[in-house]
Amino acid sequence: DVKVTQSSRYLVKRTGEKVFLECVQDMDHENMFWYRQDPGLGLRLIYFSYDVKMKEKGDIPEGYSVSREKKERFSLILESASTNQTSMYLCASSLPGLGLSETQYFGPGTRLLVL
Amino acid sequence: KNEVEQSPQNLTAQEGEFITINCSYSVGISALHWLQQHPGGGIVSLFMLSSGKKKHGRLIATINIQEKHSSLHITASHPRDSAVYICAVYSGGGADGLTFGKGTHLIIQP
Repeated sequence: DVKVTQSSRYLVKRTGEKVFLECVQDMDHENMFWYRQDPGLGLRLIYFSYDVKMKEKGDIPEGYSVSREKKERFSLILESASTNQTSMYLCASSLPGLGLSETQYFGPGTRLLVL
Repeated sequence: KNEVEQSPQNLTAQEGEFITINCSYSVGISALHWLQQHPGGGIVSLFMLSSGKKKHGRLIATINIQEKHSSLHITASHPRDSAVYICAVYSGGGADGLTFGKGTHLIIQP
């Protein structure tokens, strides 16, 4: 079974702090994704990576950056956390397939509260 | 950017009922996914469709490419089917081509 793990289930941070969310997958998937999920807005893609050191912006990249130094690990960085970044963050991975049409495997999510 | 509409947004039904959740999209796609999210956050992929129909247990997913519409059916619904069901489509062109619906919140009462 594919396993995608995220570093924390719950996180509380202060405004202005630098926040690191980490995601690790064990299936040698090329594609990895970071999403945020908010009530009424659904899943929104923040960043996507299709290989080590390669990334592509999603729908809402502002205020976020990412790092992928190893194939199995994809980090989401909030450079200076703000209260409007309070959300559920979900990581996913997939095989390259035809573009992004392949099945994605999701981690359990990190619920971030920024005070 | 594709626009994905799911209906209904919320659905409460009695155990045993036949459930239908709909997904419509505005731009031609190469793949459509149905996802399930239980309370607590975990999301699992139920189906990936590019044409026709797929069945897994009590779940059936259909897609009509010409009408840009997909349906997810649950037969003999059970309280454990209570979850949010999310439709996602991919219409090519990298990250811009991936779009998610807002989800349908389903509650099955015993």
